[in-house]
This record gives sequence, structure tokens and C-alpha cells, in this order.
Amino acid sequence: QKEVEQDPGPLSVPEGAIVSLNCTYSNSAFQYFMWYRQYSRKGPELLMYTYSSGNKEDGRFTAQVDKSSKYISLFIRDSQPSDSATYLCAMSAWNRDDKIIFGKGTRLHILP
Amino acid sequence: GAVVSQHPSWVICKSGTSVKIECRSLDFQATTMFWYRQFPKQSLMLMATSNEGSKATYEQGVEKDKFLINHASLTLSTLTVTSAHPEDSSFYICSASGHSGANVLTFGAGSRLTVL
Repeated sequence: QKEVEQDPGPLSVPEGAIVSLNCTYSNSAFQYFMWYRQYSRKGPELLMYTYSSGNKEDGRFTAQVDKSSKYISLFIRDSQPSDSATYLCAMSAWNRDDKIIFGKGTRLHILP
Repeated sequence: GAVVSQHPSWVICKSGTSVKIECRSLDFQATTMFWYRQFPKQSLMLMATSNEGSKATYEQGVEKDKFLINHASLTLSTLTVTSAHPEDSSFYICSASGHSGANVLTFGAGSRLTVL
């Protein structure tokens, strides 16, 4: 079992819909949970991160962490064509010497 | 905060030449920076961990003599692709942890290398 699993997609949704992106993981030591957005030919951009469990909201984006299920989600409300990108989840333990493990990314297409 | 600048954003070179890519942390000090490689529509592949004032730590399968990493200051790491060949053509991205106390990475914009 891989440490982080993420459906590669592509996921196509109509503009204005709510998008749900998810990752599962196996390492119970993970404490930081990150979501990155990567446009083609650009470096990943950190959207938000959470520490331990719970929800975090930033504008149209909401990140959720369920440590009991080892499952994290990113919700995008009122999706826009500009949200079309690859979304990567990433996780790490508390110690900064611990590696950050990335999912393979989900390609998202928002259809106008 | 936590801005990472990477230059050049793209470079074309002839086979056999060397290319240097710079990665700077603009508003924070980074004792550790990371270098990734990414092929089209593929995930990030960690190449090496760059440690300020000491030797880089390379991932298995990455040639340290091909990909020279120097981290001479707390704000600058460089990756030099030596004697580049067409198979070295790729997207190279650096990152650093600038979120105080958090094990979270900020990435540079990436450098696209094309070796003719």
C-alpha cells in the first residue's frame, strides 16, 4: 500500500459546481496536510495546509482532515474555469527532518 | 510570506554543456531546500535535499556527479546539470520550508530545461 493515494482523474465538472478532491494515507504519524495547485508548466502553489484534524476554510476552498479514517478532502465551491489545474495533496509528520510525501495529483477540468 | 524565487524559468542548451539553476528564499532563511524533477503529466520526483553548509543528500538513482547541488547560504541553493544530454530535458523545481515551525513546503516557479 502506497503512503498516499490520490485518484489521478481527470475530473471534469461544469462551472459553478462544487468540486471534491480526496486523498487517503496509511501513515498515522502524518500531522501536516497540504493542498497544492499546479498549472501546466508552473511550480506547485500552496493553497492551504492544516495541522492535525479539522477543517480550514479560505475563500472558496475548504480543507478537511479525518485522521480516524486517514482521509483528507479539498472542496472548491463555485468552481471557475481558472480552477482547472492539477491538485496535489501532500503530508508530513511533525518533525521537519521527515520527508513530505506527495500524492500523484488529480487533474481537474472546469467546463465553461 | 514564504516566497521562493527560481531562475531561469526556461533554458535551452547544447548537449555537453552545463546549466546552473538558482533557487532563492526571498523573505525567510532556509537551512534546507529540496530539488524536484517532473516529467510531463507525471508527479514530482524528489532528487535531492540541499543542506546549507554541508553536502546534499541525493535520492536513490540520482547521479550526484551529474546534478551538482550547492547551498552556500541560508537563502540560496543552486543545481548544476553537468554535461547535459537530451534525456536531462525536464522541469526542475526547488522548494523550501518557510512556514515557521511547520513542515510545509513552498515551491519555486520551476525551470524548464531543454537540451538539444
